[in-house]
Amino acid sequence: GQQLNQSPQSMFIQEGEDVSMNCTSSSIFNTWLWYKQDPGEGPVLLIALYKAGELTSNGRLTAQFGITRKDSFLNISASIPSDVGIYFCAGLDYAGNMLTFGGGTRLMVKP
Amino acid sequence: KAGVTQTPRYLIKTRGQQVTLSCSPISGHRSVSWYQQTPGQGLQFLFEYFSETQRNKGNFPGRFSGRQFSNSRSEMNVSTLELGDSALYLCASSREPGTWGTEAFFGQGTRLTVV
Repeated sequence: GQQLNQSPQSMFIQEGEDVSMNCTSSSIFNTWLWYKQDPGEGPVLLIALYKAGELTSNGRLTAQFGITRKDSFLNISASIPSDVGIYFCAGLDYAGNMLTFGGGTRLMVKP
Repeated sequence: KAGVTQTPRYLIKTRGQQVTLSCSPISGHRSVSWYQQTPGQGLQFLFEYFSETQRNKGNFPGRFSGRQFSNSRSEMNVSTLELGDSALYLCASSREPGTWGTEAFFGQGTRLTVV
């Protein structure tokens, strides 16, 4: 099936630092979504991207939908301890049938 | 407004048994999707239901099945459980099929452990 390559797999950063993670795919997606998952919880949507080239912000988070429709990145600025968690990218196919998820980026923030 | 409710939250079953998991979508949401999350395979699509009909199915064996009721609540069933079925099973609901983005929400999941 389709695969999304998400990197890095994990990051251990100092509070206040900026973070960047990205996803690449061999297939084109119609929509890119970024989720955060805390332990014992379901994924929570952070940002949704609908157009190639689109750059969208949500507070300290910024994400972009790649021009080729095969990639996306998420940046977190000035990280804080509550940013700790696992971040997932997900691509939605043109039929809107199902999400394909990346493998996740585990973020750890040192106060 | 209540979120997506999955029951039970935790479940321990023995190999060979069967299990039924339940998902109650957000009020007004008619589309329900199921995903399996494991450390090795990540999040993988199981199936999607809308108006009591299965619209799509992921690449899982026939032991995995589901259904949706007229009130949009959905259940998934796994028969003849294997150790590898141990996972967090997540349900997501949306108003219509394909309306992800800001209109779809995940439940907290059911943690199934097969021993």
